[in-house]
Amino acid sequence: GENVEQHPSTLSVQEGDSAVIKCTYSDSASNYFPWYKQELGKGPQLIIDIRSNVGEKKDQRIAVTLNKTAKHFSLHITETQPEDSAVYFCAVLNQAGTALIFGKGTTLSVSS
Amino acid sequence: DAGVIQSPRHEVTEMGQEVTLRCKPISGHDYLFWYRQTMMRGLELLIYFNNNVPIDDSGMPEDRFSAKMPNASFSTLKIQPSEPRDSAVYFCASRADRVGTGELFFGEGSRLTVL
Repeated sequence: GENVEQHPSTLSVQEGDSAVIKCTYSDSASNYFPWYKQELGKGPQLIIDIRSNVGEKKDQRIAVTLNKTAKHFSLHITETQPEDSAVYFCAVLNQAGTALIFGKGTTLSVSS
Repeated sequence: DAGVIQSPRHEVTEMGQEVTLRCKPISGHDYLFWYRQTMMRGLELLIYFNNNVPIDDSGMPEDRFSAKMPNASFSTLKIQPSEPRDSAVYFCASRADRVGTGELFFGEGSRLTVL
């Protein structure tokens, strides 16, 4: 089945710095790559996604890049703020294309 | 809409007891998912339903786990008998879109502790 590896598992940055989280997937047929953010005590929430026909997508301070050849995609957060502190999950679709398979998550801590 | 509603939010039980977790999806959403979150394994897909019918239960860890969706507004995940290694946060999520690229909406989770 589909597999997705996420790194790093924890990331600590100073407020204002950039943060990058990377995911690697195994199925070359994958075509949809979302990122979810989980705040403490809450369920994950979609923050950005990208489809395989584009290489990059931006939404204010967050961006996702995709390298289909290397089978990896990354989340970039610029000018980090304390409220960016959360657990971030990447995901890919299962082989049936009907359910998301999540990475193990990255705990991001932004200190002021 | 109130979003996906899960109950209980917290459950502490003893090994061997039966546990039932409940979920009310967002009205009109045809897909319902159960995930389990642990530090070691992250967010694992257990089972999902389309129009109340189980589609894939290959993620259910053992026969001790079962899930039902008797109607479009209610689903249960049952563990019988429970074991300490079942301790985790269990999330229910729903999706409106038939295609997998639709947004998943998660509940706030049920934190289960089995002593």
